[in-house]
Amino acid sequence: AQRVTQPEKLLSVFKGAPVELKCNYSYSGSPELFWYVQYSRQRLQLLLRHISRESIKGFTADLNKGETSFHLKKPFAQEEDSAMYYCALKRDNTGKLIFGQGTTLQVKP
Amino acid sequence: DTEVTQTPKHLVMGMTNKKSLKCEQHMGHRAMYWYKQKAKKPPELMFVYSYEKLSINESVPSRFSPECPNSSLLNLHLHALQPEDSALYLCASSHAMPTGGGYGYTFGSGTRLTVV
Repeated sequence: AQRVTQPEKLLSVFKGAPVELKCNYSYSGSPELFWYVQYSRQRLQLLLRHISRESIKGFTADLNKGETSFHLKKPFAQEEDSAMYYCALKRDNTGKLIFGQGTTLQVKP
Repeated sequence: DTEVTQTPKHLVMGMTNKKSLKCEQHMGHRAMYWYKQKAKKPPELMFVYSYEKLSINESVPSRFSPECPNSSLLNLHLHALQPEDSALYLCASSHAMPTGGGYGYTFGSGTRLTVV
């Protein structure tokens, strides 16, 4: 079965500290993986997708097929990064997007 | 236009009412989705439409009835809902499968539904 696991419900760091939000997945096919962010009272927004290997707002994520992971990283956290972050997997034949349980990132001043 | 627009933003309805949620996009996406999101929980998929045809129904109760009248519009008709159906209902769109390129979904801001 397809599954996305985000082991941390809450990650609290100080401004300027490095951040790593963990995501592990279970899928036998070719996964497409994404990170979505939901700021307070705002819509769910696409942050990163694994296929583009881009950096958005200083965040990067690398797909590690050996470890079935897609961790989200940022070297220096900012207060405005405080939000809920969801890792998501899209099945390659249906387009169905499956979300992890989400990690709340709290960046303290 | 790169947005998914949902109306209304808020809706309060009684258990005997009939109401509809609307979703619109003009990005040329041929796949559209309804998700339900409870507070502090991830979105849960309800329905998938691909090329205006229902392709996935995630065992949603029949009191929720989706409709896709054309490639830009998606409706969710509600009837005889229960208080536990109160949630944020999200619409999303994307390029239809099968496509490569790792395209994600574009989400609307949602309709916050309260059933009393």
